[in-house]
Amino acid sequence: DAGVIQSPRHEVTEMGQEVTLRCKPISGHDYLFWYRQTMMRGLELLIYFNNNVPIDDSGMPEDRFSAKMPNASFSTLKIQPSEPRDSAVYFCASSTPTGDQPQHFGDGTRLSIL
Amino acid sequence: RKEVEQDPGPFNVPEGATVAFNCTYSNSASQSFFWYRQDCRKEPKLLMSVYSSGNEDGRFTAQLNRASQYISLLIRDSKLSDSATYLCVAHNQAGTALIFGKGTTLSVSS
Repeated sequence: DAGVIQSPRHEVTEMGQEVTLRCKPISGHDYLFWYRQTMMRGLELLIYFNNNVPIDDSGMPEDRFSAKMPNASFSTLKIQPSEPRDSAVYFCASSTPTGDQPQHFGDGTRLSIL
Repeated sequence: RKEVEQDPGPFNVPEGATVAFNCTYSNSASQSFFWYRQDCRKEPKLLMSVYSSGNEDGRFTAQLNRASQYISLLIRDSKLSDSATYLCVAHNQAGTALIFGKGTTLSVSS
């Protein structure tokens, strides 16, 4: 079975550049989550969608971050302009329609902003 | 108070030892609880759900104490392969999303 698919696996870019992270959830999962993980702050929920609609974006750190889900099989997380403090591992996860079911994570994108 | 709190450890134990982790949560109305395992430089993976009556899966036992608002994970007969970070999960204060603790690191040595 195909799991959650994220791309790219690694991204290294200079500060000020636009960064776009991509995610394909598991087919049939109506919930999609974006997380950021750092040593200092652990795994932080940034935003989540239900049926392609953003439900809670209170974890998005600032206006430089934006996320979209144009359809049930694709979501993007964009950072513009990027800053060195955005360096982290970004995970996408999805879960079944009930919303309280365990989340299945993608492999993550390791982002380094120089 | 953080919504989900764990002792970060690390817990360093020898093979065969029994080790227990606790996790406290702030939302008394939380209905769903999980333990995840995360290996170094990997994604978190579901280890087990936590049910009100407690549940066991081989060497792993999860328990929920609603009165004190904590969940626990007990690992018996530790293996080298159990070395990882264990994350507990509960609902956030608003009840709108599941929140992960920062994790407890376990290192099992021979």
